[in-house]
Amino acid sequence: EDQVTQSPEALRLQEGESSSLNCSYTVSGLRGLFWYRQDPGKGPEFLFTLYSAGEEKEKERLKATLTKKESFLHITAPKPEDSATYLCAVQAYSNTGKLIFGQGTTLQVKP
Amino acid sequence: SQTIHQWPATLVQPVGSPLSLECTVEGTSNPNLYWYRQAAGRGLQLLFYSVGIGQISSEVPQNLSASRPQDRQFILSSKKLLLSDSGFYLCAWSPSGRAYNEQFFGPGTRLTVL
Repeated sequence: EDQVTQSPEALRLQEGESSSLNCSYTVSGLRGLFWYRQDPGKGPEFLFTLYSAGEEKEKERLKATLTKKESFLHITAPKPEDSATYLCAVQAYSNTGKLIFGQGTTLQVKP
Repeated sequence: SQTIHQWPATLVQPVGSPLSLECTVEGTSNPNLYWYRQAAGRGLQLLFYSVGIGQISSEVPQNLSASRPQDRQFILSSKKLLLSDSGFYLCAWSPSGRAYNEQFFGPGTRLTVL
């Protein structure tokens, strides 16, 4: 069964304190891995798509990486406005169009 | 540019009442459309997806149904709501013709069934 597990569930950082969020996945043929940001009461906002192991994508203070078993979302020198829930999702070749989401990591950055 | 709308934004309904949530997409043609539910403290669960008018695939057997009467309109319905139908309902779209696309989400509808 295709599955996505994110850790930690919650993370508190001081402003400027860099860290990483983990997304471990089990999927029968990875077609794509997606990262989203979700603010309270709003729909998820698309951040990155990663397709193959070794691939990296960057956007401002965020950098996403992918291996054959997991993905990391690195946050460098975070600011309070980076506080949100970060969701990871995978898409398998065997189930075109369906995204399987993890439970998310809720990040709080204190000034 | 493409935009996705959902309404209503919030809804409080009694158990046993009907439901109709609407989603529309602007700025694209023949999008793939999706309905997700996000329960409190849980991840997103795919409910339905559609690759074209009148084409609906159901992922989870439940008290809900979906319809796509127009190319860029997706409707989520129920004849009789249950307490367990409470949650945050999200509509999403992805470009047609490419199976491994990122999906773009609407603002969501918060449904409370009392």
